[in-house]
Amino acid sequence: EVQLVQSGAEVKKPGESLKISCKGSGYRFTTYWIGWVRQMPGKGLEWMGMIYPGDSETRYSPSFQGQVTISADKSIATAYLQWDSLRPSDIAVYYCARVMVTAANWFDSWGQGTLVTVSS
Amino acid sequence: NFMLTQPHSVSESPGKTVTISCTRSSGTIASNYVHWYQQRPDSAPTTVIYDDVQRVSGVPGRFSGSIDSSSNSASLTISGLKTEDEADYYCQSFDGTSWVFGGGTKLTVL
Repeated sequence: EVQLVQSGAEVKKPGESLKISCKGSGYRFTTYWIGWVRQMPGKGLEWMGMIYPGDSETRYSPSFQGQVTISADKSIATAYLQWDSLRPSDIAVYYCARVMVTAANWFDSWGQGTLVTVSS
Repeated sequence: NFMLTQPHSVSESPGKTVTISCTRSSGTIASNYVHWYQQRPDSAPTTVIYDDVQRVSGVPGRFSGSIDSSSNSASLTISGLKTEDEADYYCQSFDGTSWVFGGGTKLTVL
């Protein structure tokens, strides 16, 4: 069974750094892209970017380029999303999801989400 | 770049059929496949339809997807509505460089 297990909820202060994780199991981690999706409170889904753990190739949404960093450690089947300096506007639930490739690319398995709260 | 526009909300009674639209703002809907995700309250999304019309394994046959070139839109149709179908539904496509999500439609089954 494919599983993506994300790290737990975080409470941080503005300006602090943060790295959240997404551990994959039940499949060959290195051969599927992993994407990250933001959901702000009461809002919809936004694609942030994705990484191919096999060679760490990354692609970012223009809206998130330079705002976050996506990385992966294939030795432990884990993808990461990190911020160098959090802002209150980063408050959201962040989901990782595995990319399935058929005629197109889509998300076939999702993590449970990580709630990030930023407050002074 | 294009946007995907969905109705903010729809409601229907149990046992009825509802259709949720997803209209592409520019370019043709058939140019890029559309996928549909269901998000129940306080839960992560799950996929229901991929590649316009393909149902994910395990998703009931009551769910179906289609595209309509005349209205430049994709649609998710749910027949025989059940209370468990109450959720937010999102369409998603690709604009060549980025994944694009629709704003989501809240389905109320009452």
